[in-house]
Amino acid sequence: DAEITQSPRHKITETGRQVTLACHQTWNHNNMFWYRQDLGHGLRLIHYSYGVQDTNKGEVSDGYSVSRSNTEDLPLTLESAASSQTSVYFCASSKSGTESYEQYFGPGTRLTVT
Amino acid sequence: AQSVSQHNHHVILSEAASLELGCNYSYGGTVNLFWYVQYPGQHLQLLLKYFSGDPLVKGIKGFEAEFIKSKFSFNLRKPSVQWSDTAEYFCAVNPKGTYKYIFGTGTRLKVLA
Repeated sequence: DAEITQSPRHKITETGRQVTLACHQTWNHNNMFWYRQDLGHGLRLIHYSYGVQDTNKGEVSDGYSVSRSNTEDLPLTLESAASSQTSVYFCASSKSGTESYEQYFGPGTRLTVT
Repeated sequence: AQSVSQHNHHVILSEAASLELGCNYSYGGTVNLFWYVQYPGQHLQLLLKYFSGDPLVKGIKGFEAEFIKSKFSFNLRKPSVQWSDTAEYFCAVNPKGTYKYIFGTGTRLKVLA
């Protein structure tokens, strides 16, 4: 069955360190998204990609970067982790076209920055 | 700016009670609408979606939602909740012509057995 996976599921890191969160989907979807989930804010879009070599900033992109070298993966990098980036991070994907804009979500990564 | 409001942040109900969760959005154009559910410790799952046609849509587990275009609303309903419906519920708006979602802040529902 197709799926979307994230790793690690839990991560503790120190302020200032670079951290990369992995997202891998086997849906063969063109579109991929990274969100962070915080109490009182719901899910906020960090970055998104509509295909290989395409990346775009979301509403809370400062301090984060992504790259899309293939269809399956969209790693999220925190260049220099800050305590404000402690959050739960969700990756999602959806297919292009006019039939469905449903996003499929991964299980999430809980990141703690100390 | 585009936004989605979920006015009920926390809801506590007894089993068999009826549920209605509000969702209002601000966007002038045409949208697709979604409700997602997140059970404790799990990822988001799609409950139901509206693209066009009948404004009353039915989803999984007995949930339904009604799109009222004039009110920019897409409220979620269930006639009789169960303990297993305890979860967080998110409304999401997708402006047509894009693939992005705008999420509401979520409503935490607790159903007492």
